[in-house]
Amino acid sequence: GQNIDQPTEMTATEGAIVQINCTYQTSGFNGLFWYQQHAGEAPTFLSYNVLDGLEEKGRFSSFLSRSKGYSYLLLKELQMKDSASYLCAVMDSNYQLIWGAGTKLIIKP
Amino acid sequence: GAVVSQHPSRVICKSGTSVKIECRSLDFQATTMFWYRQFPKQSLMLMATSNEGSKATYEQGVEKDKFLINHASLTLSTLTVTSAHPEDSSFYICSAREDSGYYEQYFGPGTRLTVT
Repeated sequence: GQNIDQPTEMTATEGAIVQINCTYQTSGFNGLFWYQQHAGEAPTFLSYNVLDGLEEKGRFSSFLSRSKGYSYLLLKELQMKDSASYLCAVMDSNYQLIWGAGTKLIIKP
Repeated sequence: GAVVSQHPSRVICKSGTSVKIECRSLDFQATTMFWYRQFPKQSLMLMATSNEGSKATYEQGVEKDKFLINHASLTLSTLTVTSAHPEDSSFYICSAREDSGYYEQYFGPGTRLTVT
């Protein structure tokens, strides 16, 4: 079967760095997405990785290792507004997104 | 960037009535559109996938006669919740995909449905 695993909840301090991990087992692979979702709102796109390595975009970076079925989202210089759920999603061989359950990130002052 | 609108943003209806939710891609042609449902503190649940001009493909456990999907054009898909019940109260989110590039899904802002 297809499976995406990510931690349910994480807590971090304002100004610090946090890494949210995602492991996956899917039928085929056409890329991995990270989305941010604030409570009561729709998800917004953060990053896309299809090749191994690190993609950096401002305070957010995303890493992929296809051989290990592993990705992480790295958030630096955390701000209170970063409190949200972070969703990992893998596009399978049929170009369908397989979603993780999301990681709720709580930022404390 | 690509923009997807959804209307209405909030709707309250009485049990037994039907509600229609519209999803529009504003600046691109959406070959494929998706409808998701999300209950409080839970992850997105894909309900169905629709391609313009063809019947929607429903996920297991989703009643196609209750959740009617019409992908009438490359910029519009509608979800009609028929004979709504309180347990249908949820956050409904659509997304649209251009089916080119890296197949990113662009999400609408969501519709909060409350059935009384």
